[in-house]
This record gives sequence, structure tokens and C-alpha cells, in this order.
Amino acid sequence: RKEVEQDPGPFNVPEGATVAFNCTYSNSASQSFFWYRQDCRKEPKLLMSVYSSGNEDGRFTAQLNRASQYISLLIRDSKLSDSATYLCAVFTGFQKLVFGTGTRLLVSP
Amino acid sequence: SAVISQKPSRDICQRGTSLTIQCQVDSQVTMMFWYRQQPGQSLTLIATANQGSEATYESGFVIDKFPISRPNLTFSTLTVSNMSPEDSSIYLCSVAGTGATETQYFGPGTRLLVL
Repeated sequence: RKEVEQDPGPFNVPEGATVAFNCTYSNSASQSFFWYRQDCRKEPKLLMSVYSSGNEDGRFTAQLNRASQYISLLIRDSKLSDSATYLCAVFTGFQKLVFGTGTRLLVSP
Repeated sequence: SAVISQKPSRDICQRGTSLTIQCQVDSQVTMMFWYRQQPGQSLTLIATANQGSEATYESGFVIDKFPISRPNLTFSTLTVSNMSPEDSSIYLCSVAGTGATETQYFGPGTRLLVL
């Protein structure tokens, strides 16, 4: 089993839709979780950190479910500019971040 | 977050040659990392660049192939040695945040094509 797993997508949604991605992790001792956004041919940019049960920033909500070992990212009122690949990352200790393969989101007019 | 720059931004190289990638940060940082992102794949950690000591390599990566220097707290280099087409990838450096050190911020990456 991979340490961090994501549905690669793509998720095709219309503008204004709500979309959610899940990310599962295998190390139950993990304490810190992150969502990054990566645009085509660009570096990953930190979107949200998730340290406890969840985090909300505007249209974006990240939640952590420790019992089932997954984190989720919810995007409300999707914009065209939200089209990107969303990478989940899990801090496993030893200063090491492990990334999922990313979920591609396409928001269409 | 720190401002991170990388040079070169891209390069096309012949197999058997070596390329050194530079990573410069605008402030002193304790932790610097080098990642590889192969086409259509996610990020894989190559090594942690340690200031004043040898880099710590992840499984599958060795110093002879990917020598790393970290002469001070704002600069690091990664060399891709004896390149083959399989080394074609994006190479990214990252730094850990000064507060929450598990948070990492990435440089713009170096896009390498080996012919």
C-alpha cells in the first residue's frame, strides 16, 4: 500500500459546483497534513495545512479523519481559476513530507 | 514565506554529462530539500541538504549520482551526474518554514531534458 494515495481524476465540474477530493494515508502516527496546488509547469504552492480536525479558508475546507486515516479538500463555488492539480502531502516525521500523486481538477464554464 | 530561486530554469543535456542546479533562498533556513518530479508523477524526495554535513539520501538515491552541497544556510546545489534520458524530470528544491518546520515551500523548479 502506498503511503499516500489520491484519486488521480480528472474531476470535471462546472463553474459554481462544489467538489471534494480525498487523500488516504497509511502511517497512523502522522500528525501534519497539507494540501498543495500545482498549476501546469509550475511548482507546488501550499494551499492549506491541516493539524487537527480541519481548516477553512474562504471557499476551501480541509478536514482530517484520523480514525479512517484520510484528509479531504472541499472546494465550494468552483472558479475557472481553480483548475489545477491538488497534491496531498503527509508529514511522516524525520522532517519528511510524502506526496500523493495528485488529483486533477478541471472547472469548465 | 521565503523567496526561493533556482538556476537554470531549464536545460537540455546530452547523456553522460552532468548538470548542477542551484537553489538560493532570500533568508537563512535550517532545512533544505531536493525533490524530483518525473513527467505525470508526483514529487519524490531525493535528499535533505544538511548545512555543514553530508546530505541525507532517500532510498533509491545515492551520493555518486546526486551529489549535493550546502555551504551555508541560504544556498544549495544538486548535481545530476552521468545523465541518462531517465533523468529527464523537474528538479525542485524546497525549504522548511521557520515556524512550523514541517511546512515546505518550493522553488520554481529546473526542467531537465536528457537526450
